[in-house]
Amino acid sequence: AQSVAQPEDQVNVAEGNPLTVKCTYSVSGNPYLFWYVQYPNRGLQFLLKYITGDNLVKGSYGFEAEFNKSQTSFHLKKPSALVSDSALYFCAVRDNIGSGFQKLVFGTGTRLLVSP
Amino acid sequence: DGGITQSPKYLFRKEGQNVTLSCEQNLNHDAMYWYRQDPGQGLRLIYYSQIVNDFQKGDIAEGYSVSREKKESFPLTVTSAQKNPTAFYLCASSRPGSLYNEQFFGPGTRLTVL
Repeated sequence: AQSVAQPEDQVNVAEGNPLTVKCTYSVSGNPYLFWYVQYPNRGLQFLLKYITGDNLVKGSYGFEAEFNKSQTSFHLKKPSALVSDSALYFCAVRDNIGSGFQKLVFGTGTRLLVSP
Repeated sequence: DGGITQSPKYLFRKEGQNVTLSCEQNLNHDAMYWYRQDPGQGLRLIYYSQIVNDFQKGDIAEGYSVSREKKESFPLTVTSAQKNPTAFYLCASSRPGSLYNEQFFGPGTRLTVL
């Protein structure tokens, strides 16, 4: 089965500094990877995805993610953090479950706290 | 939250009661999903539906039931058989069969058992 791991429960960064939220994956076949963000008591919002092609994927709100096949990683990055980026971030991988249908398998989430 | 509505936002249930969570979407998506979110555990798939009148169990379906009578609607019933129902429930939808099918999520319903 496909899986992703988010090794950090929380990441702390000062506003204006670069941020990285880590994700590693374990898949059979080609990985299809996603990042979502969740603000308190809200649903998840899609940030970006990697399907194929360039290893650097650009997404919403200035976020980007770097796909690294040799390290089986898909880390989320932003050059300059904002206080408003503070939220819960989820990495996810697509998993085939038969009949041409796919589901997403989510990591446990990483809380990002950006201090002023 | 992308054309998906969930109601109510907060729900309180007494022990032994069944409750139904509503999920409606106007995105014309065929596929719909229910997830349960608990602190430190990420999201776990309860049920999913590819098309109207069809649905399948996910990873933690015990104690839950669903129906899909209309494309727009995918209600979830939390039955008294669910031993620990207190959680945040999220509904999502997507276009099925596509490699690029990111899911769109509703705002969630927080269920608390009294």
